Amino acid sequence: AQKITQTQPGMFVQEKEAVTLDCTYDTSDPSYGLFWYKQPSSGEMIFLIYQGSYDQQNATEGRYSLNFQKARKSANLVISASQLGDSAMYFCAMREAPFGNEKLTFGTGTRLTIIP
Amino acid sequence: DGGITQSPKYLFRKEGQNVTLSCEQNLNHDAMYWYRQDPGQGLRLIYYSQIVNDFQKGDIAEGYSVSREKKESFPLTVTSAQKNPTAFYLCASSKDTPGANVLTFGAGSRLTVL
Repeated sequence: AQKITQTQPGMFVQEKEAVTLDCTYDTSDPSYGLFWYKQPSSGEMIFLIYQGSYDQQNATEGRYSLNFQKARKSANLVISASQLGDSAMYFCAMREAPFGNEKLTFGTGTRLTIIP
Repeated sequence: DGGITQSPKYLFRKEGQNVTLSCEQNLNHDAMYWYRQDPGQGLRLIYYSQIVNDFQKGDIAEGYSVSREKKESFPLTVTSAQKNPTAFYLCASSKDTPGANVLTFGAGSRLTVL
């Protein structure tokens, strides 16, 4: 079974609109972390936002927020007021233990294209 | 500025040849990682190291080898035993401390086997 599932291979969004990128995960570990990374065409992975499984509030970082629904095992990324520079691949990732197991499992990604 | 430097950016190899991808970081991070990225498959972990002179296999280690002789360096060798080595390779590092262990990535190396 996939540990991280991103069901949207590609999305097209009008500039200045908000966009939600879906991510569901599968784990039996009560302690885990969820990450979102952005990969522009240059190839480098850029960290956007982090949510810990015990965090009570949804994480926010500027125009990025993470809609964390623990019971549904979903961690959707919301980008408000999209910009042309937001066009990129977006990856959701999960770390299943905060201590000793520092591997991340990545989803297959969503290609976001912002339309002027 | 602190960061991760990967070289070369592009590399072409003939079948049967070993190649080594370089990864250097000046972030004073303890842990380093190698990921492979294929189209439509996301990133898959090849090897990781949490301390000098020690490293562990990831999910797809067959056909690859690494060394960690210095904290700053974590080179990856793609051997002739790797059946399908054409891919984009990403090196990453982290502070390896509890909590939100964010990975910092290099710009990647694209390997093409001719």
